[in-house]
Amino acid sequence: AQSVTQLGSHVSVSEGALVLLRCNYSSSVPPYLFWYVQYPNQGLQLLLKYTSAATLVKGINGFEAEFKKSETSFHLTKPSAHMSDAAEYFCAVSNSGTYKYIFGTGTRLKVLA
Amino acid sequence: SQTIHQWPATLVQPVGSPLSLECTVEGTSNPNLYWYRQAAGRGLQLLFYSVGIGQISSEVPQNLSASRPQDRQFILSSKKLLLSDSGFYLCAWNGQSSYNSPLHFGNGTRLTVT
Repeated sequence: AQSVTQLGSHVSVSEGALVLLRCNYSSSVPPYLFWYVQYPNQGLQLLLKYTSAATLVKGINGFEAEFKKSETSFHLTKPSAHMSDAAEYFCAVSNSGTYKYIFGTGTRLKVLA
Repeated sequence: SQTIHQWPATLVQPVGSPLSLECTVEGTSNPNLYWYRQAAGRGLQLLFYSVGIGQISSEVPQNLSASRPQDRQFILSSKKLLLSDSGFYLCAWNGQSSYNSPLHFGNGTRLTVT
């Protein structure tokens, strides 16, 4: 069975500081991994996805994530936080054997001025 | 371009009343369709998914049901709502052709059961 763990339900960073949101996955087969962002009272928007090509994936709004098989991780980073990055972020996993996408519990990012 | 519509945006219903939430997708055919529920601090819980008309897979046994009467229409229903049904309901779709196709979400329906 697949699962996703997001460490830290709330993360605060100062504007201009590094953003690091953690995601660890469990999957018995090669996974497909995704990061989504959700603004208040809206649906989720895709930030980036890993589909077994390059291990370093670049997404929208300056975010990127690195797939590390040995660590079963897919952490999301951004070099410099902006106030508009304040939102909730979700990591998700799927694989070629299922139509299901399993989501983590989310990390709410707060950006301090 | 493809778009997904969900309605209503907000809904307040008394315990024991019925529920019908609708989701439609435009600009694509034969999509996979999904219903998720989001409760505070609990992430997204997959409720139902459908890979074709009349084909519904249920992930969580509960008093909710789903139907897909048309290719691009997905409906979430309940005969009698419970307090625990409150939450933010999200419809999503992706393409049939690939397992790694990302989900595209609607703007959600916030349901409050009183």
